[in-house]
Amino acid sequence: SAVISQKPSRDICQRGTSLTIQCQVDSQVTMMFWYRQQPGQSLTLIATANQGSEATYESGFVIDKFPISRPNLTFSTLTVSNMSPEDSSIYLCSVGRGGALNYGYTFGSGTRLTVV
Amino acid sequence: AQSVTQLDSQVPVFEEAPVELRCNYSSSVSVYLFWYVQYPNQGLQLLLKYLSGSTLVKGINGFEAEFNKSQTSFHLRKPSVHISDTAEYFCAVTLFTDKLIFGTGTRLQVFP
Repeated sequence: SAVISQKPSRDICQRGTSLTIQCQVDSQVTMMFWYRQQPGQSLTLIATANQGSEATYESGFVIDKFPISRPNLTFSTLTVSNMSPEDSSIYLCSVGRGGALNYGYTFGSGTRLTVV
Repeated sequence: AQSVTQLDSQVPVFEEAPVELRCNYSSSVSVYLFWYVQYPNQGLQLLLKYLSGSTLVKGINGFEAEFNKSQTSFHLRKPSVHISDTAEYFCAVTLFTDKLIFGTGTRLQVFP
């Protein structure tokens, strides 16, 4: 399965600022996904990062708040913009390839964000 | 659209006892099912998956799950749990090469 490097692993940010999270994969992947895990809760899909086109956002998430880049098949970034304490969560990237169903979707170790 | 329901938010159990974590899904088409585990302050690890074929799926760490199409369930089981199995367990569903949709999670707490 793919190996994902996600950084930063954690950060404490001031409200009103932005943080960009990076996700680097050791092989080319078709699909990359960004999830949010709020404290004590499950994972909620934010968006699917598409290479060469705009990301596809889930209901309740908008591009202005969570802009995503996908410049190539091994890299993506998620920015959390104009942060408030409600954005304090773990953010995870996930990848799936053509063989994703055989190998299982792989997740990065997550970015633990605290907004103060 | 597909969805996943994990019926128990918490499951307390004593060490060496059997455990079952319940998962039900809803979908109008065939789906693929996964169980992931998240140990405290760690990322997600795949336990097992059902894609097709045998309805009894064996995973890592002695876990297994049974796909039951008529009951739309995919319950996770382990015959004898260990303290180290204490973690959050997530059931997830996907269509072919699509996004994963997660259940709300079940916290398994194993007591000595």
